[in-house]
Amino acid sequence: RKEVEQDPGPFNVPEGATVAFNCTYSNSASQSFFWYRQDCRKEPKLLMSVYSSGNEDGRFTAQLNRASQYISLLIRDSKLSDSATYLCVVSLIRGGKLIFGQGTELSVKP
Amino acid sequence: NAGVTQTPKFQVLKTGQSMTLQCAQDMNHNSMYWYRQDPGMGLRLIYYSASEGTTDKGEVPNGYNVSRLNKREFSLRLESAAPSQTSVYFCASSEVGGWDSPLHFGNGTRLTVT
Repeated sequence: RKEVEQDPGPFNVPEGATVAFNCTYSNSASQSFFWYRQDCRKEPKLLMSVYSSGNEDGRFTAQLNRASQYISLLIRDSKLSDSATYLCVVSLIRGGKLIFGQGTELSVKP
Repeated sequence: NAGVTQTPKFQVLKTGQSMTLQCAQDMNHNSMYWYRQDPGMGLRLIYYSASEGTTDKGEVPNGYNVSRLNKREFSLRLESAAPSQTSVYFCASSEVGGWDSPLHFGNGTRLTVT
């Protein structure tokens, strides 16, 4: 089983739609969680951190479910500019290294 | 504010050739990293440097060496390139360990080994 797993998609949605991605992680001792965004042929950039209480940044909401070992990202009112690959990132206690999921591709259509 | 700068952007090597990928950051970050990204594999850590003067292996260190030249610079060397090292390489830095603070990535180096 991969340490961090994501549905690779692609998710094809119309503008204005709400879309949700899930990411599961295998190590229950994982401490920190992030969502990164990567545009085609570009470097990943931090979208948001994921806190235990859940957090929101404009149209984006991230949630953590420790009991089921998954994090989620909800995008409301999708824009064309949201088209990208969304990477789930988890840190493990030992060594402090970040583990990246393979990414979920989102394509928002007019 | 340049952030993380990688060179070169593109490189084609023949099997057995060597090269060094350069990375520099101007954010006074302590930690620096080298990742490779392959289709369907996500980003995998090659080496990292938690602070100046230290380096450690990541998930896929075989075939690579690194040097943390000073706080700003972290280079990745391929001594004898192999086709399996064809990939996109990203350098990144973070203020503290990557488990507490976000990573800032360079633009990437697209390497092809024939």
